[in-house]
Amino acid sequence: EVQLVESGGGLVKPGGSLRLSCAASGFSFSSYTMNWVRQAPGKGLEWVSSISTRSISIYYADSVKGRFTISRDNAKNSLYLQMNSLRAEDTAVYYCARVYTSSPGDYFDYWGQGTLVTVSS
Amino acid sequence: DIQMTQSPSSLSASVGDRVTITCRASHTISTYLNWYQQKPGKAPKLLIYAASSLQSGVPSRFSGSGSGPDFTLTITSLQPEDFATYYCQQTYTIPYTFGQGAKVEIK
Repeated sequence: EVQLVESGGGLVKPGGSLRLSCAASGFSFSSYTMNWVRQAPGKGLEWVSSISTRSISIYYADSVKGRFTISRDNAKNSLYLQMNSLRAEDTAVYYCARVYTSSPGDYFDYWGQGTLVTVSS
Repeated sequence: DIQMTQSPSSLSASVGDRVTITCRASHTISTYLNWYQQKPGKAPKLLIYAASSLQSGVPSRFSGSGSGPDFTLTITSLQPEDFATYYCQQTYTIPYTFGQGAKVEIK
């Protein structure tokens, strides 16, 4: 059974840092591109970042570029999101999602349960 | 960035109703369009990928259609467990963008 379990969320002050983790199991983690998606309270879904299987291709939303860093450790079946210079508008539930690459188009076929990040003084 | 616009943003329907939600992309995206269902406090769940392909395990009352800029998600015979928020998503180009969501409520 495919499982994605996020951790590392919590309350942090503006300007602070936090590192999210996503532990994957039940599939060959190293074979899949992984993404982070977030959802502010009461709002819609926002794509945050993507990392390819061997970390060669990495992309970020403009809203987090220069502040967030996505990474992965295929030996540990884990995905990470290092978040620096956090702002109130980064408050959200953060989901990791597995990307199934197909033709045509990728899709996010498995999602974790999410971890809440609250940025407040 | 490609903007995705869903309509309506919310609707009220009864069990057994046929429900249609539309999604329009600001640029052509071929059929690089996915649909997700999200219930309160839960992660999104993939329903439809590549505009019209039903994800494994999803009931056949869900269907998707369209290409280019205009897409449709249809639920035939709405069931109690279908009351949720539905999002479209384009994966034609990064940044992958989602529609604002369409909330299906009980009438």
